[in-house]
Amino acid sequence: DTGVSQDPRHKITKRGQNVTFRCDPISEHNRLYWYRQTLGQGPEFLTYFQNEAQLEKSRLLSDRFSAERPKGSFSTLEIQRTEQGDSAMYLCASSQTPGAAYTIYFGEGSWLTVV
Amino acid sequence: TQLLEQSPQFLSIQEGENLTVYCNSSSVFSSLQWYRQEPGEGPVLLVTVVTGGEVKKLKRLTFQFGDARKDSSLHITAAQPGDTGLYLCADFTDKLIFGTGTRLQVFP
Repeated sequence: DTGVSQDPRHKITKRGQNVTFRCDPISEHNRLYWYRQTLGQGPEFLTYFQNEAQLEKSRLLSDRFSAERPKGSFSTLEIQRTEQGDSAMYLCASSQTPGAAYTIYFGEGSWLTVV
Repeated sequence: TQLLEQSPQFLSIQEGENLTVYCNSSSVFSSLQWYRQEPGEGPVLLVTVVTGGEVKKLKRLTFQFGDARKDSSLHITAAQPGDTGLYLCADFTDKLIFGTGTRLQVFP
């Protein structure tokens, strides 16, 4: 399978705990995106990387959230001191560098439930 | 901040019926994309439209981009249960900004 891979697919955690999600993009895709989606809503942009550089962060990304892409390949999204409002699906996506026409490919998402 | 409103929010129809969903933006689209998302999956690209007034067809799906490039519609002819899912419009610049979504349920 050469699509975008996310791990874990599901995570249940207690309020106050830290969680980390991993995303492996499609090989040779230098752009990587993170989105958050709650049930029945459209995905909300969190942040994106061009290779290892984090180019933009949404205001949604509070100080408890941090994303890294240390070698320009896989990425991690960490949420510290989780809150019940963090419960959502976290989507990762990847693409080639923007050009005349290109496609963003999404992974299957990582579901987070904070209890 | 650009806002993309989709309507209706929910749509429940019988197999064989036709339907139209709408997407309206608070500002001009850079490049409009439509996605379908099935439960437990990520969104999958259906089409990209760039030019005002553009119409694209994908089998039973017809996508129309408004002349002013601030609105779009997706029309499905003879809906099938396999069309069930969340339909999302999105503005595509250096990232995607998604609309609020239309959840479609097609019953056999």
